[in-house]
Parts: sequence; C-alpha cells; structure tokens
Amino acid sequence: DIQMTQSPSTLSASVGDRVTITCRASQSVSSWLAWYQQKPGKAPKLLIYEASSLESGVPSRFSGSGSGTEFTLTISSLQPDDFATYYCQQYNSYSWTFGQGTKVEIK
Amino acid sequence: EVLLVQSGAEVKKPGESLKISCKGSGYSFTSYWIGWVRQMPGNGLEWMGIIYPGDSDTRYSPSFQGQVTISADKSISTAYLQWSSLKASDTAMYYCVRPSRSGWPFDYWGQGTLVTVSS
Repeated sequence: DIQMTQSPSTLSASVGDRVTITCRASQSVSSWLAWYQQKPGKAPKLLIYEASSLESGVPSRFSGSGSGTEFTLTISSLQPDDFATYYCQQYNSYSWTFGQGTKVEIK
Repeated sequence: EVLLVQSGAEVKKPGESLKISCKGSGYSFTSYWIGWVRQMPGNGLEWMGIIYPGDSDTRYSPSFQGQVTISADKSISTAYLQWSSLKASDTAMYYCVRPSRSGWPFDYWGQGTLVTVSS
C-alpha cells in the first residue's frame, strides 16, 4: 500500500497569511493527488485534483503543485472560512489512501 | 444534480449485524464507481472499498478486506456497506463517495451515516 504523510499535523496562522501544507507519498503516484477541506460535522469537500487542477467553485487562493512523491497545497491569503482540516489523497490502481490530515487553526 | 443520500444514524450492540445504504440520483448509477470512507471519532479519513454497480466489480482496502461487505442494487440505484458482527471499534461516521474526474478524486460525497456500537 502507498502511504501518505502530511506535514505539519497542526498549523497556527493568521488571516492574510500564506499557508503551505506538504504531502509525501511512499512511492510515486504521478499526478494522481487530490486535496480536500473538512469542517467539523461536515463531509469533506474536494479542492484540488490531479495535483494542481482547481475544482469548480473553489476560490483561486487555493493552489496545488507537485508530482511523483512530493506535493503541496498553498493558500495564498488565509481567510476566516479556511480554518479547517485538510487532507491529501492518492489514487493508484483502484486503491486510494488519505494523509493523516493537517488542522489549520487560528493563531 | 448528482446526489448521494445515505441512510440514517444507527445505534447497535456488539455482535449485531448492520447494512447501511447510499442512494445515487441525478446520474447513471451503473456507469460510475461508488465507494465508502470511514472516519472514526476525532480521526482522519480511511478508504474502505469501492464497487462498480454495472458489473459488481468490488475492490477493498487491505485494512477492511474480510471485515465488511460492499454491494449494490442497480435496480434501485443503491449501494450498501454491511457488517455481519459489529465491534465497538466500528463506531464511526461512514461516507459514500463517487469518483468521476480524471485522476479519480472523490468529487461527490454523501452526507454521512453515524454508526454507534455500544453495549
């Protein structure tokens, strides 16, 4: 199984900050990498797919980059609505794995 | 509009059986894979398995193989997640999901079904 490791586990930031979350895969996943946002009590929401494609309706302050084993999610200017937990996810041959999550908290 | 609507919350005792459901609408149910994701209290997301209702091809995460059964009834556009003997450790929120984009992300999610197993 491919393992996904996110860092950091928790991130404290202020409104307006540029925030970067990293996701590493235990082996290459090409560009089959997605990012999700989850708020308490809600289902996760897809933000980015294929490593860097922005899902329809997602604000442009969210961006994704990377390929192979190293990926990043960047929020260019953190907004109050962005305080949530973020997960990366890989897909490979009918198998999916999530990272352990990164909680973005208010500083 | 694509919708995945899940069955309601369940409270069960250890050893009991359970089958929860996820009804798809707004699309051709037999043309898309539909899967299940577990989220234990305070924890992250875990992919459990996925089924293609068109031919019932089913794939499981090694962590869940033999622990649960995924099935689908295409006549009523509904997927199922089933346990034969629940454990307290099965207490979790369960989401059904549908990948439809290139790269297979889960772009559609059900609202979740909370399963509580307690004596």
